[in-house]
Amino acid sequence: NAGVTQTPKFQVLKTGQSMTLQCAQDMNHNSMYWYRQDPGMGLRLIYYSASEGTTDKGEVPNGYNVSRLNKREFSLRLESAAPSQTSVYFCASSERQGPNTEAFFGQGTRLTVV
Amino acid sequence: AQTVTQSQPEMSVQDAETVTLSCTYDTSENNYYLFWYKQPPSRQMILVIRQEAYKQQNATENRFSVNFQKAAKSFSLKISDSQLGDTAMYFCAFMKYRDDKIIFGKGTRLHILP
Repeated sequence: NAGVTQTPKFQVLKTGQSMTLQCAQDMNHNSMYWYRQDPGMGLRLIYYSASEGTTDKGEVPNGYNVSRLNKREFSLRLESAAPSQTSVYFCASSERQGPNTEAFFGQGTRLTVV
Repeated sequence: AQTVTQSQPEMSVQDAETVTLSCTYDTSENNYYLFWYKQPPSRQMILVIRQEAYKQQNATENRFSVNFQKAAKSFSLKISDSQLGDTAMYFCAFMKYRDDKIIFGKGTRLHILP
C-alpha cells in the first residue's frame, strides 16, 4: 500500500526557474494538503483541497499555485522560484471527518533554490 | 483563525523517564480534533495520538497519553518510560469539525539520552 507518494524527493532550482511538485494518494481521501517545513517554523499550510475541483489558500500561499487534477492527485507549482522557497515540502491527505480521522503524509521533497 | 502554540522548542530526558510536551491552542469552536505527530530523523510524519474534543476521556496509546483540558485549551502529551526511539520532533495539530484545514504548531525537538 503506497499511501501518499511525492515526487521528486530532492530538487535544486535556480532563482526564477519553475517546477511542479507532484503528489498522489491511493486511499480514496477527499482532502489533500501541501505544507512547507522550515527550521523553527513547524509545518505551515500552503494550500489545501477539500475535494476534487476545489482548492483553498492556507497560511503561506504567496508564490505558489496548486491543481487538484482528480481525486488522487494534487500538484504544487512554483512559477518563479525564490531562495525564500527553499524548504522541505510535504503533501498529505485525509478523510474529512470521523473517529479515525488523521492526515497521512508523503516522505517530503527537499527543495533548494540557489 | 486557529493557532497552535508549542512553548518548548527543545527538551532532553534520560531514557526510562517520563516527559511531558506542552501544547495550547486558540479557537472559538466547540467541536474539533487534536493530534500529536512524531517526526523522527527519517522525516516521516507519524500519528502518535488523536483526541476528539467532545470526548472527556483522555486518549491513550500504549506509553503515550494526553492531558486534554478543554476549558484551558491545553493538550499536553505524556511519554512514559521513554525510549531512544522516541527521539524525534513532535508536532501538535488542530482541525475543527466540518473543516479540512489542519494547523500545526512549531514543534518540540525531543532528545532521549542513554
